[in-house]
Amino acid sequence: QSALTQPASVSGSPGQSITISCTGTRSDVGDYDHVSWYQQHPGKAPKLIIFDITKRPSGVSNRFSASKSGDTASLTISGLQAEDEGDYYCSAYTSSRPFHVLFGGGTNLAVL
Amino acid sequence: EVQLVESGGTLVQPGGSLRLSCSASGFSFGSYAMNWVRQTPRRGLEWVSSLSSSGGSTYYAESVKGRFTISRDNAKNTLYLQMTSLRAEDTALYYCAKDLAELWPEGSFHVWGQGTMVTVSS
Repeated sequence: QSALTQPASVSGSPGQSITISCTGTRSDVGDYDHVSWYQQHPGKAPKLIIFDITKRPSGVSNRFSASKSGDTASLTISGLQAEDEGDYYCSAYTSSRPFHVLFGGGTNLAVL
Repeated sequence: EVQLVESGGTLVQPGGSLRLSCSASGFSFGSYAMNWVRQTPRRGLEWVSSLSSSGGSTYYAESVKGRFTISRDNAKNTLYLQMTSLRAEDTALYYCAKDLAELWPEGSFHVWGQGTMVTVSS
């Protein structure tokens, strides 16, 4: 099954806001609330920053917010900071088979 | 502190077998669903397998079904991934990840280990 679709790269200046999209189908992103987002810095393990479409784990900055419309989920980072540079991945549970998780291809964020 | 430490990754020949382990600490291991996720530079993150807190329910990606077996020993706070019939395309950094959910996996990977590298090559 195809991965979820994310833009390969996005960029922004410090203080700006950016949005990363994650497009799936009605069998995954569009069907369930279990959409998550991960941040990964070079050489580090991914870090969960959003779960269940909009929720932030304890300790994650409120500069990270997310939403979903139809088959597309979105992650918004406001007040960009240099430390936000890295790769961002979305994931979603899919109903097309017994428990199965899809990841997006990842988006590299550059803070210029 | 919640911690996951993977081990067992190494160089193995195509067709070979390998068992990965993930030692957990800092949380009630037996209460949470657990997962394996792998990563390559080319393919990015790929979900591999999940299992329920009891270990009674297991789930696999199509690419590894029939070749990989996920299991856990709750008395030892350890998660395993038995890998057989390994292929070049299984080459990846393998992460152990604690699910956000108790009992049944929900696909939100809350805590990750540092990963263990598996290389399948002759």
